[in-house]
Amino acid sequence: QKEVEQNSGPLSVPEGAIASLNCTYSDRGSQSFFWYRQYSGKSPELIMSIYSNGDKEDGRFTAQLNKASQYVSLLIRDSQPSDSATYLCAVNPTGANNLFFGTGTRLTVIP
Amino acid sequence: DGGITQSPKYLFRKEGQNVTLSCEQNLNHDAMYWYRQDPGQGLRLIYYSQIVNDFQKGDIAEGYSVSREKKESFPLTVTSAQKNPTAFYLCASSKGRPLREQYFGPGTRLTVT
Repeated sequence: QKEVEQNSGPLSVPEGAIASLNCTYSDRGSQSFFWYRQYSGKSPELIMSIYSNGDKEDGRFTAQLNKASQYVSLLIRDSQPSDSATYLCAVNPTGANNLFFGTGTRLTVIP
Repeated sequence: DGGITQSPKYLFRKEGQNVTLSCEQNLNHDAMYWYRQDPGQGLRLIYYSQIVNDFQKGDIAEGYSVSREKKESFPLTVTSAQKNPTAFYLCASSKGRPLREQYFGPGTRLTVT
């Protein structure tokens, strides 16, 4: 199986707090990992990609990958109301020519 | 401006009619994908193509057909055989192997009554 699992939420955080989103995947050999943000009624927008263990930072976003534990997370620092969206985790499993997506975590940032 | 375009944004059809959704990209990407998204569900892969004149079925290909005659274009036809066609359809593209980032078009919302 090549499943990607996320907590569907909703996750609510106050403005200015850190939002932590988690994703686990079943295929141990997966190599590529992505986080997408999807506003209601819109298409997914790529916000982070990560390929090796550890942390990758881009502005207020940090992606964390732990291949041994098979999880990838996204931290959003100084959360803003504009960050309110559904966040999709995507994984490229071994030998696959496409991405497998989780069902997404809905984040609400409360002003 | 480089990107992926999908048309139309909204599409309404009567049951029993075939309908074709357009997807065009000018990113010079080799691979293109079609997904379907239903409310509260994740993205499900319908078809994908890695090179011109070649495509593979995804997880839910039944009732759909595609063509890839040009690198830039990957139209999706929703046939009358698709039992529940009302959904949000998303086209994406990527550079190809090794699989890196996929970028999405704005989507087409299809309603069949």
